[in-house]
Amino acid sequence: AQSVTQLDSQVPVFEEAPVELRCNYSSSVSVYLFWYVQYPNQGLQLLLKYLSGSTLVKGINGFEAEFNKSQTSFHLRKPSVHISDTAEYFCAVTPREDSSYKLIFGSGTRLLVRP
Amino acid sequence: DAGITQSPRHKVTETGTPVTLRCHQTENHRYMYWYRQDPGHGLRLIHYSYGVKDTDKGEVSDGYSVSRSKTEDFLLTLESATSSQTSVYFCAIRSQGANTEAFFGQGTRLTVV
Repeated sequence: AQSVTQLDSQVPVFEEAPVELRCNYSSSVSVYLFWYVQYPNQGLQLLLKYLSGSTLVKGINGFEAEFNKSQTSFHLRKPSVHISDTAEYFCAVTPREDSSYKLIFGSGTRLLVRP
Repeated sequence: DAGITQSPRHKVTETGTPVTLRCHQTENHRYMYWYRQDPGHGLRLIHYSYGVKDTDKGEVSDGYSVSRSKTEDFLLTLESATSSQTSVYFCAIRSQGANTEAFFGQGTRLTVV
């Protein structure tokens, strides 16, 4: 079975400061990794994904994430946040060989950017 | 934006009544999913479909049923709504492949009183 842990339920940060949102996963099989963002009263949209190759992945809106296989982590970072980045962020995995192609989500991290 | 429409967007219903939520897609994607979102739990899979009339259970399927009679429509039914089913429900679609992007609807906020 797979599980995803997002240790921080809420991360407050000042505008223009750097931020890191942590994600760890547990899986006995290989997985693909994803970060999704949910703005207030909206659905989820893809920020970035790791499939293979370079462990540093760049996504939309200046976000990037680094895959660390030994630590089973996929932390999300942004060097300078904006007020508009205030949202909830979800880390998710899909087992590579699972024919359902389902996403397994973490509990989410609410990023609150203050002026 | 991917063509996914959920209806209704908001619903208040009484305990014990049946409720059906609809997800409609215009992308012709084979895979469709129903998730529920609750504080502290993220999104949890209720049921999914891998084709017309082909469905399977997710991790929180008790009290829910689904149907898919056409590629574009995936219905979620609460046979007899309970207060524990108060939640925000999201539909998602995905083309074949674990490495593909999933697209989400805007969500349905269901309150069971």
